Amino acid sequence: DAKTTQPPSMDCAEGRAANLPCNHSTISGNEYVYWYRQIHSQGPQYIIHGLKNNETNEMASLIITEDRKSSTLILPHATLRDTAVYYCIVRVAQTIGGNTPLVFGKGTRLSVIA
Amino acid sequence: SQTIHQWPATLVQPVGSPLSLECTVEGTSNPNLYWYRQAAGRGLQLLFYSIGIDQISSEVPQNLSASRPQDRQFILSSKKLLLSDSGFYLCAWSRSGYTSSYNEQFFGPGTRLTVL
Repeated sequence: DAKTTQPPSMDCAEGRAANLPCNHSTISGNEYVYWYRQIHSQGPQYIIHGLKNNETNEMASLIITEDRKSSTLILPHATLRDTAVYYCIVRVAQTIGGNTPLVFGKGTRLSVIA
Repeated sequence: SQTIHQWPATLVQPVGSPLSLECTVEGTSNPNLYWYRQAAGRGLQLLFYSIGIDQISSEVPQNLSASRPQDRQFILSSKKLLLSDSGFYLCAWSRSGYTSSYNEQFFGPGTRLTVL
């Protein structure tokens, strides 16, 4: 079972920031927060991940609360191509000889509107 | 660079017929491999994962099986398809043999299976 809770859907105006929330109140100390997105009829695509510090890359920013029980993915200037289902996932880091597959929940369907 | 292939892209099969979906990865060695299924209007469900040849773990009891006859080949099979096997099947790979928080899974283009 997924360990995260996300709203089923959100709308965002093109050019505005999209803020996607995620609750993970039972997260363990060694678990990271990962975000993937799935554009219609394609495989999921990695966006960003973090442990407790805020993270930023060319795609998005990840804000994690101090107690780590929730986080927010921010797409600073949403475009129509950002319309997708966004998945928030918690899992432990990869270890040598180990395997930590992604377990997906239902995600948030983000619709970017012109 | 690494690439992942899946075929066929689409498949329509009658109930009770067998199934074989193939996934291959190029440009890497000893990858971790995964099969996911996405039923219509539902989320992604992990079916199988493999950390090496003939080492396969099943996540849910079902009508499907997986095999890994070669290092970079992962096959999803069924002896008799059910209506409920319809869905979008995705293969994925990730790097193995190291410790890191960054362990991205790379997904293939998927196979859309319709069982009639």
